[in-house]
Amino acid sequence: DGGITQSPKYLFRKEGQNVTLSCEQNLNHDAMYWYRQDPGQGLRLIYYSQIVNDFQKGDIAEGYSVSREKKESFPLTVTSAQKNPTAFYLCASSNRLETQYFGPGTRLLVL
Amino acid sequence: SQQGEEDPQALSIQEGENATMNCSYKTSINNLQWYRQNSGRGLVHLILIRSNEREKHSGRLRVTLDTSKKSSSLLITASRAADTASYFCATDSSIFTGANSKLTFGKGITLSVRP
Repeated sequence: DGGITQSPKYLFRKEGQNVTLSCEQNLNHDAMYWYRQDPGQGLRLIYYSQIVNDFQKGDIAEGYSVSREKKESFPLTVTSAQKNPTAFYLCASSNRLETQYFGPGTRLLVL
Repeated sequence: SQQGEEDPQALSIQEGENATMNCSYKTSINNLQWYRQNSGRGLVHLILIRSNEREKHSGRLRVTLDTSKKSSSLLITASRAADTASYFCATDSSIFTGANSKLTFGKGITLSVRP
């Protein structure tokens, strides 16, 4: 899991509630990414950021929001607009060597 | 959008045998990468092969790339029970080589190595 931490490991969301997943890296990487993993679906890109104070939508950004105020941190908020949030969420970071380094993941469950 | 598609979806072999996994993709790439994921964990990078390379080795891993067929294969030799995991190929189609990558992942291959 390298120098990337994600918290919490498990997160429970009530209907209509926004929840925030934390991702921190100490690898001095410029780029950070959020993926969603569903069974049999592989990884799908939610949002990514190539530099502080800048981020772009991925393939499935609807119902999610992010911020990148610090190089080390890239939190993901799952809003109430995301109607099917149950999934395994993975954060990753990379430098110009192109390899991505992943955190251990957060499993989000809906109550 | 799913770029890489792995084949087979699941593979079960005996310890000591070789495991071959394939990946096909649709658009031009800068590089192709293979990752491994143990159940309930994050992904770990295994190997990267660039579009101008045909073969790379890393320990018991051998990766080939055929850009004319838009396909890659990952060979794990002398497999061990500890190799049991899901394996993903990911393609980088970044416009500018060297820029931070945006990867597109396949759905993965589940490898089971029986002791």
